[in-house]
Amino acid sequence: GIQVEQSPPDLILQEGANSTLRCNFSDSVNNLQWFHQNPWGQLINLFYIPSGTKQNGRLSATTVATERYSLLYISSSQTTDSGVYFCAAGTNFGNEKLTFGTGTRLTIIP
Amino acid sequence: DTGVSQNPRHKITKRGQNVTFRCDPISEHNRLYWYRQTLGQGPEFLTYFQNEAQLEKSRLLSDRFSAERPKGSFSTLEIQRTEQGDSAMYLCASSLGHGLEAFFGQGTRLTVV
Repeated sequence: GIQVEQSPPDLILQEGANSTLRCNFSDSVNNLQWFHQNPWGQLINLFYIPSGTKQNGRLSATTVATERYSLLYISSSQTTDSGVYFCAAGTNFGNEKLTFGTGTRLTIIP
Repeated sequence: DTGVSQNPRHKITKRGQNVTFRCDPISEHNRLYWYRQTLGQGPEFLTYFQNEAQLEKSRLLSDRFSAERPKGSFSTLEIQRTEQGDSAMYLCASSLGHGLEAFFGQGTRLTVV
C-alpha cells in the first residue's frame, strides 16, 4: 500500500516564526488531507488538497502530485498552533482508506 | 449538521469485558470509516462501509472486533473479550464518496484495565 512520511517529527519555534511541514507519499493520490489534532484527540480538517495550492488565513498548503509531496505552511505562528499535524493520503486504486503519516509535533514557545 | 458524532467519549473497562462504540456520520455521507490510534502514532484504518455494506476490513480487525451499519446510518464497533492491547483512541470518519474529503468525530478513548 501507499507509504506516507512526514518531516520533521518535531519542531520547536518561537512565537511569530514561520514553519514548513512536509509530507511525502509513495503513490498517485486522489485524496490528500492535512489535519491538526487537538489536545482532546479530535482531528481538525485543515486542507483537502490532492493537488494545487490553497490558503486559509495564516495557513497554506501546496501539493505537487507529480512529485509526490505536499507542504503545509504556517506563518506568524501562535501558541495555539501547537499540537500534532498529520497528513493523510488516499489512492485511486482499490481500497478507500486514508493512510496517515506519523505526524509532526509542533511546539510554539511564547 | 453538527458533524460526525461519537459516543461515548471515554470508556474504561476491565479486561475480558465487551464494549460497544457508536458513530453518527454527517447525514448525507454514504461512506463511514473506523480508525484506531495508539499513543505517538497516526490513525490506522480498521474498516469502512458504503451505505450498509462493509466493503473492507483491515488485518488489524481481529475476530474479536465487529462493526455494523444498519440501514446505512449510524455505525457500531464492538470489541469482545477486551485485552489491554485494545487500549487506544477509536476514530470514526465519514465522506460523500471515494477520494472526497473525510471528516472525523471526536473519538472514543478506550482504556482496558
